[in-house]
Amino acid sequence: EVQLVETGGGLVRPGSSLKLSCATSGFTFSNTWMNWVRQAPGKGLEWVALIKDKYSNYEANYAESVKGRFTISRDDSKSRVYLQMNTLRDQDTATYYCTRSFMDAWGQGASVTVSS
Amino acid sequence: DIQMTQSPSSMSVSLGDTVTITCRASQDVGIYVNWFQQKPGKSPRRMIYRATNLADGVPSRFSGSRSGSDYSLTISSLESEDVADYHCLQYDEYPYTFGAGTKLELK
Repeated sequence: EVQLVETGGGLVRPGSSLKLSCATSGFTFSNTWMNWVRQAPGKGLEWVALIKDKYSNYEANYAESVKGRFTISRDDSKSRVYLQMNTLRDQDTATYYCTRSFMDAWGQGASVTVSS
Repeated sequence: DIQMTQSPSSMSVSLGDTVTITCRASQDVGIYVNWFQQKPGKSPRRMIYRATNLADGVPSRFSGSRSGSDYSLTISSLESEDVADYHCLQYDEYPYTFGAGTKLELK
């Protein structure tokens, strides 16, 4: 069974940092592209970032709204994908979902609240 | 960025209705459109991939179609469990972009 479990969410102040982790199982992680998608309260879905596999040199792509502040990474030995979020803003408040490749599997989400 | 203009934003429906939701892409995205269902407090679930393909385990009353730059999700004979939010996604080009979503509500 494919499983994705996000951890690391919480309440933080504007300007601070937070790192989300997504633990995966049930599939061959090392050759799977992974995404982060977020959803602000009461709003629609927003794609945040993608990281490709080793065969694509771990190429990463980002939404303009997070470029330069967020970094997606992965550890194939642990079957985990991460999202390092720096210089957080109020507008980054959302539930962050880890998703597999073309979004055929989603985690339960991690809540991030940025507020003073 | 490619805009996915989704309509309607909300829809009042009855059980047994045939429901169609549409996304119009601002540029050519080929077949690279997915549809997702999301129930309150839950993660999205992929329903349709590559515009017209039914995802595993999805009931056959769901279907996807394409006409030019218009992509549609149709639910035939709506059941109570289908009342949810629906989102389209283009993944032809970065940044991937979602439509604004459609909320189905029972009359």
